[in-house]
Amino acid sequence: DGGITQSPKYLFRKEGQNVTLSCEQNLNHDAMYWYRQDPGQGLRLIYYSQIVNDFQKGDIAEGYSVSREKKESFPLTVTSAQKNPTAFYLCASSISGGGLDYGYTFGSGTRLTVV
Amino acid sequence: DQQVKQNSPSLSVQEGRISILNCDYTNSMFDYFLWYKKYPAEGPTFLISISSIKDKNEDGRFTVFLNKSAKHLSLHIVPSQPGDSAVYFCAAISGNTGKLIFGQGTTLQVKP
Repeated sequence: DGGITQSPKYLFRKEGQNVTLSCEQNLNHDAMYWYRQDPGQGLRLIYYSQIVNDFQKGDIAEGYSVSREKKESFPLTVTSAQKNPTAFYLCASSISGGGLDYGYTFGSGTRLTVV
Repeated sequence: DQQVKQNSPSLSVQEGRISILNCDYTNSMFDYFLWYKKYPAEGPTFLISISSIKDKNEDGRFTVFLNKSAKHLSLHIVPSQPGDSAVYFCAAISGNTGKLIFGQGTTLQVKP
C-alpha cells in the first residue's frame, strides 16, 4: 500500500535539544510538506519541497530545518531555537504542482512534547 | 494574514439532520478548494474538493458550494451521522504557488 509514514508517533524532548522527525513516502510524489497544528490555529506550513535537493520556507520556518536528499524522504529538525516546539507535526506529499485535484496526502502525524 | 478563515470553532447537530460548515477566503487567485476531515492524533484525510470554475460539487452525503463573488464556501453533510464527528478543515490552493492554505478548523459533533 502506498502512503506516508511519520515516525515516531510520540516524541519527548528536553529543552535545548534538537530533534528530527522522520517522513517517508512511497507514492512517487515530487512535492513534500511539513505542517504544524496548534489548537485554534489550523495547520501552518513550516517548509516545503517541490523537488529533490530543493526546499523553501513556509510561513513559520524559524527554528526549523529540513533536507531533501531523496525523493522519498523529507526529515524535519526542530532546533533549540524554536521557542514553542510542543505541537502536532504533519507531513504531506503531493503530485508536482500542488495536486490540484486532490490536494495532499498526509501522514498520521508526530506529537512532539518538550519536557 | 489569515487567507482562509473558518469562523466557527465548533458545531453540534443531531444525528440525521444537516451539518453546514462555513469557510471564507480572501485571495481571489485560489484555483481549488478542498475539505479535509481529521480525527485526533491522525493526519487529515481528503473529503471533497471544488474547482473555482464550479459552484457545486456533490459526493454522496457531502456537497460543497462555492460562492466566488462572496469568497465563501460551505460543506453540507446530510444526513449527519455520529461517525462524522471530527475536525473539518477548509483549504485552498493556488496553481501559482502550489501551496495548500488551511483554515483554523471546525469541530463537528453529531449527537445520536
